[in-house]
Amino acid sequence: KNEVEQSPQNLTAQEGEFITINCSYSVGISALHWLQQHPGGGIVSLFMLSSGKKKHGRLIATINIQEKHSSLHITASHPRDSAVYICAVGGNTDKLIFGTGTRLQVFP
Amino acid sequence: NAGVMQNPRHLVRRRGQEARLRCSPMKGHSHVYWYRQLPEEGLKFMVYLQKENIIDESGMPKERFSAEFPKEGPSILRIQQVVRGDSAAYFCASSPRQGGNLLPQHFGDGTRLSIL
Repeated sequence: KNEVEQSPQNLTAQEGEFITINCSYSVGISALHWLQQHPGGGIVSLFMLSSGKKKHGRLIATINIQEKHSSLHITASHPRDSAVYICAVGGNTDKLIFGTGTRLQVFP
Repeated sequence: NAGVMQNPRHLVRRRGQEARLRCSPMKGHSHVYWYRQLPEEGLKFMVYLQKENIIDESGMPKERFSAEFPKEGPSILRIQQVVRGDSAAYFCASSPRQGGNLLPQHFGDGTRLSIL
């Protein structure tokens, strides 16, 4: 069993839909990261959080430390949101442990 | 403000050759991380370096792989005697100080290595 599990693996949506991507982890963490990998392959850091909730534009990330679970929400989804979304956790060392990603496709 | 620069973007090598991948961190960042993404798999940590110092290389294969981050110049990931299984995307990320798990890491666009 992977230390970081994401669901779903693949997700399709119509433009405008509300999207939720889930991440569960089994290790103790100091922080959780959400990353976006574009179709061209580049990776962008979206959020880093250790408690509560963060919002940036149409993106919202939440974390529940007790339940070892985080969610990434996208409101009013758009085709340009199509990408792979990756959850990663950082523990007591500096290295990150990654989930296998959720591939999102938003159709117009 | 240049971000993390990796080159080359694409690298093709024949089995047995050497591959050198370069990473220049963001200005002001002194900590570099290398990750590998095998086809259809997630990212995996390889090595974490500070200038002139390897902090954690627990994710590096024991043979053929080495990394350095000299006082001057980019960080280099070197793969000797490449094999087909080395074909992957190699990403570099940087952070301004230690504690990269608690800081947003800034990623480069990666180097896609293909082994013929």
